[in-house]
Amino acid sequence: QSALTQPRSVSGSPGQSVTISCTGTSTDVGNYVSWYQQHPGKAPKLMIYDVTKRPSGVPDRFSASKSDNTASLTISGLQAEDEADYYCCSYANRSRLFGGGTKVTVL
Amino acid sequence: EVQLVQSGAEVKKPGESLRISCRGSGYSFTTYWIGWVRQMPGKGLEWMGIIYPSDSDTRYSPSFQGQVTVSVDKSISTAYLQWSSLRASDTATYYCARRASDHKGMDIWGQGTTVTVSS
Repeated sequence: QSALTQPRSVSGSPGQSVTISCTGTSTDVGNYVSWYQQHPGKAPKLMIYDVTKRPSGVPDRFSASKSDNTASLTISGLQAEDEADYYCCSYANRSRLFGGGTKVTVL
Repeated sequence: EVQLVQSGAEVKKPGESLRISCRGSGYSFTTYWIGWVRQMPGKGLEWMGIIYPSDSDTRYSPSFQGQVTVSVDKSISTAYLQWSSLRASDTATYYCARRASDHKGMDIWGQGTTVTVSS
């Protein structure tokens, strides 16, 4: 299995929006895409599940969508604490597959 | 408080065996799937496998099938990840995570266990 494809890095200034893509096959990127945030030396944190849904406690400036074989995570109103690595994850064929990860830098 | 607490860091030699643990508390341990994720130094997350504590139904990623063993002791609310013969390439941080009850996201994560394999 190949990892889902994410850009290695994206950056933006405080207050701007950034979008991270996550591309796979039609089998990989279905209705069960989740997104995780990981700060250095910390465990991952669930930010999005089932493609577009936010767990309680996750700010609404985090949003997500999917089109065909590509899922996307958008961070609006970028803040310094959003600087982290972000991973998409798909559920398919009774297993899971992570993307390679995207480093978000706040300039 | 709902939490997963993992065992401490390990330093092992190639060829040695190892079992690391993940104890759940604050919720009904047997009714939530527990997954394992590898993160090699400076690298991304890799899905290893998942187990359902109630009946030990286990599913492995093809990449890890036969390389590790996932098990559980529900009497002490603990899941395990085990190697019979470690290799230097097993050096990584390993996370356990709970699958949410009503969706397929992993909503609670352990703090991670760092395993170093070196001669």
